[in-house]
Order: sequence, then C-alpha cells, then structure tokens
Amino acid sequence: ETGVTQSPTHLIKTRGQQVTLRCSSQSGHNTVSWYQQALGQGPQFIFQYYREEENGRGNFPPRFSGLQFPNYSSELNVNALELDDSALYLCARRGWGGDYGYTFGSGTRLTVV
Amino acid sequence: SQELEQSPQSLIVQEGKNLTINCTSSKTLYGLYWYKQKYGEGLIFLMMLQKGGEEKSHEKITAKLDEKKQQSSLHITASQPSHAGIYLCGADTGSGNTGKLIFGQGTTLQVKP
Repeated sequence: ETGVTQSPTHLIKTRGQQVTLRCSSQSGHNTVSWYQQALGQGPQFIFQYYREEENGRGNFPPRFSGLQFPNYSSELNVNALELDDSALYLCARRGWGGDYGYTFGSGTRLTVV
Repeated sequence: SQELEQSPQSLIVQEGKNLTINCTSSKTLYGLYWYKQKYGEGLIFLMMLQKGGEEKSHEKITAKLDEKKQQSSLHITASQPSHAGIYLCGADTGSGNTGKLIFGQGTTLQVKP
C-alpha cells in the first residue's frame, strides 16, 4: 500500500471512446503527476497538476486532459481513444519532508480494442 | 532532451549472487530516483540521490551517484527471489523537484533459487 489509490485497476474500451481514470491520496499534497507506461518501456510523463492547474506537460496531444480537485484527488481523461493508448497509467504524488521521492499508485491497465 | 540509458536490459542471477544495474544520463542529473516494479503494477520507491558522490543503502540494496552526476548504479548484495522485478531509474528534468521525471527503459531481474 503506497497511500496513492487508483481506480479502476483494469479497463477495456473501444477505439473512439472516452475514458476517465482516477487517483486519490491518503495524505494531501498539492502536486500530482500522471504517466503512461507502454509494455516493456519506462513511464512517460503526461502532465502535472499543481493547486488544481496544469503545471507542465509532456509530449501528449490535447485529447489527454486532467483535473485536480480541492481534496487532492485527480482525474485523467482521454478522448477519442486509439489502439496505441493501451498502456498502464500511473499517477504520482510528491513525498513530504525529507523524502522527496515520488509515490506512485498501482496504476490502471487500459486496453483499447 | 535528456535521456536515461539502463544496462543491462535484463539479468538472470543465481540466488545469493551480487549484481549491479547501471543508469547513465546524457545530461547532469539533478535528482536520481530508483524504483522497483512488479510486472503490471505500480512503482515502489527505493532511493533518491541528489549530490555527487552520494551513496545510500537500504537492507541489501546500495545506490550510488557519481561525482559528475551523470551516472548511477544500483547494487544488490546476496540476491534473493524477492529482489526479482523491474528496476527503473528516473530523473528530474529540472533543477528542482519539478514532478516531471524521465525514466530509463528498465532492467528486468530474475533470481533463480
């Protein structure tokens, strides 16, 4: 248990559909990042939210969007799903105090068919 | 853009043997993170290194960052089956904790009993 919870754990969608993935943290922190990890590769940075606003974005198209809520939970939305969007999606929050490691959730496995 | 290269890509060792995984950056590292991942699951934070020449240990795992801050190594002493998994190095892309991490492609470790 890392203190970062993602839901759902698995999801199957059809090409062209839209999907919403969720992330919540046991302890509050005002920074959350989302990553996409394709099979056999390292995670790729999608974007980061700081105090409910997007604060940095990787090389992903606008159909990838997000939200951060006052309770520090977050959503990743993907529109017009493509087959290549099939991946493990991870959210991460920054650690507190002397531990500045980023804590990751267990991820959501998205399959687009 | 900054890239991280891990070597080897995969490793099979006999239980009890020592092993080393390397992570090389194309640019100076401001923060280097080591994570462990079980297949299809989230990332477990192992250690973070920031200063040139820094070395940290936890149980049988030791991580080092070279003086030039462009290379890091992860050393496991007396490996056990519980050490099996994918090891990922990640790095901050800015001079602080920006939330945007880039990752190496991962090293898959198998430990044979």
